[in-house]
Order: sequence, then C-alpha cells, then structure tokens
Amino acid sequence: SQQGEEDPQALSIQEGENATMNCSYKTSINNLQWYRQNSGRGLVHLILIRSNEREKHSGRLRVTLDTSKKSSSLLITASRAADTASYFCATALIQGAQKLVFGQGTRLTINP
Amino acid sequence: DTAVSQTPKYLVTQMGNDKSIKCEQNLGHDTMYWYKQDSKKFLKIMFSYNNKELIINETVPNRFSPKSPDKAHLNLHINSLELGDSAVYFCASSLLRQYSGNTIYFGEGSWLTVV
Repeated sequence: SQQGEEDPQALSIQEGENATMNCSYKTSINNLQWYRQNSGRGLVHLILIRSNEREKHSGRLRVTLDTSKKSSSLLITASRAADTASYFCATALIQGAQKLVFGQGTRLTINP
Repeated sequence: DTAVSQTPKYLVTQMGNDKSIKCEQNLGHDTMYWYKQDSKKFLKIMFSYNNKELIINETVPNRFSPKSPDKAHLNLHINSLELGDSAVYFCASSLLRQYSGNTIYFGEGSWLTVV
C-alpha cells in the first residue's frame, strides 16, 4: 500500500481561485515534500516541511503538516494557468537511507 | 545547464530486446536514483546509489541492472524487455545528508514503449 495518497486525484478551478490539495501518509516521517510535474516533464521540488514544523510558506504556496493526523495540505493561492500540473507529495521515512515515497499525485487544471 | 540529464528521451523497442538508459548529473551530488512512473502517474523508486554503491534496491526484477561507473553517472540496463516495462523512467540525484531533508532533482524522463 502507498505511503502517501493525494486527494483529490483531479482538481479543476478558475484562474485566480485558490487550490488545495491534501496528502495522507501512514508511517512516521522525517519530512514531507511537495513536487510539481508539468506534462511531459520531470518533477520539480516545491517545498519541504519537517516533522517538527506545522506550516511553511513559499511565495503563493502554503503547506501545512499535521503529524497527529498524518496529513499535509498544499494551498496555492491566486492560481494561474501556469500552475496547471500534477502535484505530488513525498514522504521521507525516519529509518534507513534517504528514500522519498511518492503518492499518486493530484492533477490540477487552472481554467483561464 | 541541465542538472540531471538522461538519454534517450523516447525509446520504442520490441519485446525481448535489451536497452539502456543513461543518466548524468552535474550537481556534484553523492546519491542518484532511478524511479519508474507508470501510466497512472504512480512514481516508485527502483534503485539508489551513493558514491557508486547500491543502497536501495526495491524488489525490481533482475532484468533491470543499474550501473554506476562514477558518482556522476547512473545508467539503467534492461534485459529481455516485456510489455509491462513500458513506463517513464526518471533519473534523479540528491546531496545525501541524513535526516536533514534532501531535495531530489529529477531528469526529464525517458519514455519507454515496448511493443
């Protein structure tokens, strides 16, 4: 079973609206990261939040982490057409070598 | 300057063939990875090497053999290709610092289609 699962699987909103994506995971983590993948491209790192942090901001991105619920959310404010992409959460487990376990992603479409 | 580059970008081949995908990173990172992304966008780690040493091998068929001639290169060789091997293969690298939180840098992917 997957460590990280994103919700919803697909999200379509109008330009200018806010987009919220959620990620749930199963086991204890060292940190959680969000990545973006444009169609036909590789993944690009967006933001990392450590297990002892609750909220983090980067530009129009806001990430929250609730370790008690084993969940995280990514909020993109004032969305733009260029934000259209798939967004993945990835969890870094505490034990062992550095390994990120990815969810299946949320496909975000921003309509102009 | 491309940080993580992999070739070829597209590869169409017949079942039973042997093929290789090459990967190079110019970031000076110690750790490199191969990930497989299936048609449902599910991304799963296959291998990880740290300074040419295999550190992660995730239950991948032994038809898949990674080779790391130096820490800047991690190639993926696949023997006896099967239809189910069709996927996008991503090479990636990171600067390994235990528990500090690594950012992984991905290549652009290699689209493999087995017919």
